[in-house]
Amino acid sequence: AQSVSQHNHHVILSEAASLELGCNYSYGGTVNLFWYVQYPGQHLQLLLKYFSGDPLVKGIKGFEAEFIKSKFSFNLRKPSVQWSDTAEYFCAVNLRAGGYQKVTFGIGTKLQVIP
Amino acid sequence: DGGITQSPKYLFRKEGQNVTLSCEQNLNHDAMYWYRQDPGQGLRLIYYSQIVNDFQKGDIAEGYSVSREKKESFPLTVTSAQKNPTAFYLCASSMVGGPGDTQYFGPGTRLTVL
Repeated sequence: AQSVSQHNHHVILSEAASLELGCNYSYGGTVNLFWYVQYPGQHLQLLLKYFSGDPLVKGIKGFEAEFIKSKFSFNLRKPSVQWSDTAEYFCAVNLRAGGYQKVTFGIGTKLQVIP
Repeated sequence: DGGITQSPKYLFRKEGQNVTLSCEQNLNHDAMYWYRQDPGQGLRLIYYSQIVNDFQKGDIAEGYSVSREKKESFPLTVTSAQKNPTAFYLCASSMVGGPGDTQYFGPGTRLTVL
């Protein structure tokens, strides 16, 4: 069964610090990878996704993620965080199994940015 | 204004009662999903449906039931067989249910069983 691991459950950073949130998945086949974000009081929404092509994908608000197939990883990065980035971040893996898609989310990482 | 609506936002029920959570979307999406979100466990898939009148169990379907009679609606019933029903429930939809689809989420329903 596929699984998604997010290693950092709670991260506290000062504004302007660099961010990297780890995400690893366990599945040997073709995957699509996502990062979703849940800002306080708001709906869960897409930050960025990898479908195919360039393994370095850019998302909203200056976030990017790199798909490294050999490491089964899809880490999220941002060079300089802002207070408004305080949120919970979820990595997700999506694959097709038996004609239906199967979506698995990680447990989430809570990011707190201190002004 | 397109989106996904879930009602109610907060729901309280007595133990042993079935309860149905509503999810409606006007995005014309084929696929819909129900997740349960618990602290420290992330989102876990309960049921999903890629087409009207068809749905599949997710990872934690026991104690839950769904129906998909209309494209716009995917109600979730939490039955008395669900051992630990108190949780935050999220509904989502996506265009066709394909692997590259982005899922769009509703605001969620917080269910508390007393």
